[in-house]
Amino acid sequence: RKEVEQDPGPFNVPEGATVAFNCTYSNSASQSFFWYRQDCRKEPKLLMSVYSSGNEDGRFTAQLNRASQYISLLIRDSKLSDSATYLCVVNELRAGKSTFGDGTTLTVKP
Amino acid sequence: NAGVTQTPKFRILKIGQSMTLQCTQDMNHNYMYWYRQDPGMGLKLIYYSVGAGITDKGEVPNGYNVSRSTTEDFPLRLELAAPSQTSVYFCASTGQYSNQPQHFGDGTRLSIL
Repeated sequence: RKEVEQDPGPFNVPEGATVAFNCTYSNSASQSFFWYRQDCRKEPKLLMSVYSSGNEDGRFTAQLNRASQYISLLIRDSKLSDSATYLCVVNELRAGKSTFGDGTTLTVKP
Repeated sequence: NAGVTQTPKFRILKIGQSMTLQCTQDMNHNYMYWYRQDPGMGLKLIYYSVGAGITDKGEVPNGYNVSRSTTEDFPLRLELAAPSQTSVYFCASTGQYSNQPQHFGDGTRLSIL
């Protein structure tokens, strides 16, 4: 079983749709959580950190459920420009130890 | 605002050749990483370093070597290039606290023919 698992998709949605991605992690000692965005053949870029109380950044909302060991990313009012691969990342307490999920691919269509 | 800088951006090698992928960061980060990403796949950790003079193997270290003589630089060396090493290579760095995300370079696209 992978340490961090994501549904690979692809998710194909129309513009304006709401889409949600889940990510599960196996290490209960995990401390910090992030969502990254990766466009085709480019470097991953930080989308947002995920806080215990949940957090929102514009159309994006991230949630953390420590008891069930999963994090989620909700995208509202999808835009064509949201088409990308979304990576879930989990950091352990030991600094420098990050585990990346394989990513979930989203395609937003007109 | 350089962040993490990788060179070269593209390279074609012949089988058996060697080369060094360069990575430098100007954020005074302790931790640095090398990943490879094959088409349609996730990131795989090759090597990482927790500080100058300290390196350790990741998930897929075979065929690669690294060194970390300074905080800023973390070069990755391919000694005998093989077609299986055709990939996109990303260097990343992060600070000393676990709540800090990794910052990535633009990547090096390497083809072995």
